[in-house]
Amino acid sequence: AQSVTQLGSHVSVSEGALVLLRCNYSSSVPPYLFWYVQYPNQGLQLLLKYTSAATLVKGINGFEAEFKKSETSFHLTKPSAHMSDAAEYFCAVSPFQGAQKLVFGQGTRLTINP
Amino acid sequence: GAVVSQHPSRVICKSGTSVKIECRSLDFQATTMFWYRQFPKQSLMLMATSNEGSKATYEQGVEKDKFLINHASLTLSTLTVTSAHPEDSSFYICSAREGGDQPQHFGDGTRLSIL
Repeated sequence: AQSVTQLGSHVSVSEGALVLLRCNYSSSVPPYLFWYVQYPNQGLQLLLKYTSAATLVKGINGFEAEFKKSETSFHLTKPSAHMSDAAEYFCAVSPFQGAQKLVFGQGTRLTINP
Repeated sequence: GAVVSQHPSRVICKSGTSVKIECRSLDFQATTMFWYRQFPKQSLMLMATSNEGSKATYEQGVEKDKFLINHASLTLSTLTVTSAHPEDSSFYICSAREGGDQPQHFGDGTRLSIL
């Protein structure tokens, strides 16, 4: 079975500061991991995905995430926060590369302070 | 990029009404579509998975007769909330995937409010 824990339901950073959103997973098989972003009253947009090709994954909008098997983590980072990054972020895990069935974390709301 | 269109974006209706939500993949053929429900400030909960031409697979605790899912073509799936009640009010989101190692692509959701 798979599960995802996102540490911190709310993260607040200043504009230009480093963004770090934490995600730890549990999986009985090699996992495939995803980060999605959700803006208010919208669906989810895929930021990036880990599918075992490379441990450091670069996504859209300047985000990247590093898969660390020893720590069972897949934290999302961005060097410099933008006001437009304010949104809800979800980490998800799937036992299949094709994301046949995703299990989502609880979500982290990112607030950017001017 | 892959686009999923969900319609309507918002529905307000009286208790006892049945509501149909459409999910369309606009530029790819979706072998599998998913329906999620999201409560305020919470994560997405998978309701059911549907493959084109076959019956949907519902998650535990989701009433099949309450939430009717049809996936009649490779580009369209519908979710019908039958005899909706206020407790069915929620944000419903669909997603679709092409197959192979392709990820899920999400619609913009439907906010359902039952009075």
